[in-house]
Amino acid sequence: DAGITQSPRHKVTETGTPVTLRCHQTENHRYMYWYRQDPGHGLRLIHYSYGVKDTDKGEVSDGYSVSRSKTEDFLLTLESATSSQTSVYFCAISERPDALYNEQFFGPGTRLTVL
Amino acid sequence: DAKTTQPTSMDCAEGRAANLPCNHSTISGNEYVYWYRQIHSQGPQYIIHGLKNNETNEMASLIITEDRKSSTLILPHATLRDTAVYYCIVRRHTGTASKLTFGTGTRLQVTL
Repeated sequence: DAGITQSPRHKVTETGTPVTLRCHQTENHRYMYWYRQDPGHGLRLIHYSYGVKDTDKGEVSDGYSVSRSKTEDFLLTLESATSSQTSVYFCAISERPDALYNEQFFGPGTRLTVL
Repeated sequence: DAKTTQPTSMDCAEGRAANLPCNHSTISGNEYVYWYRQIHSQGPQYIIHGLKNNETNEMASLIITEDRKSSTLILPHATLRDTAVYYCIVRRHTGTASKLTFGTGTRLQVTL
């Protein structure tokens, strides 16, 4: 399995508080992604990074920010958590953006509950 | 990226072939078909992808129709561990970060 860890694995927090989720990789892959997964929606991309300090928005980026100061770490921050952000969050990595072969490796997920 | 349509759920007996269909009637010529699966409580796992030729690897086979409007993922000898949600994804290779758009997938239940 690709070396991807997420922390914390579970978190319960209250509405209005900031929350930061961490994704750490040991594969030295350039590209990193944050997805959220909700019933009836599949996985949806929040933000992604194509290098250190290089990030861009996905399809559901409102209310989230990201930072990548090192190749191995990609942080997702909920600036002021809301109940609609209760979800399972997955981090993914890939070695190259596009090629004949494009595989993303996913982390184990973080279950976040906002009360 | 083109939209995909998959059945919500399917059953398959262990040891038999599981054939999972995907409709992507609006696919364009430079879009690839990808399959991922997600076993309960785990992150998604890449299975296979293709452009227009049929593909096979150690996990599965991918059959793409000649007009490319649909495809079928085949697990030749399904086991209980293949019980998962299977996602069919269609996307271009744009040269930038490889964003995947997942739909709701097909829940495959493999039974004894």
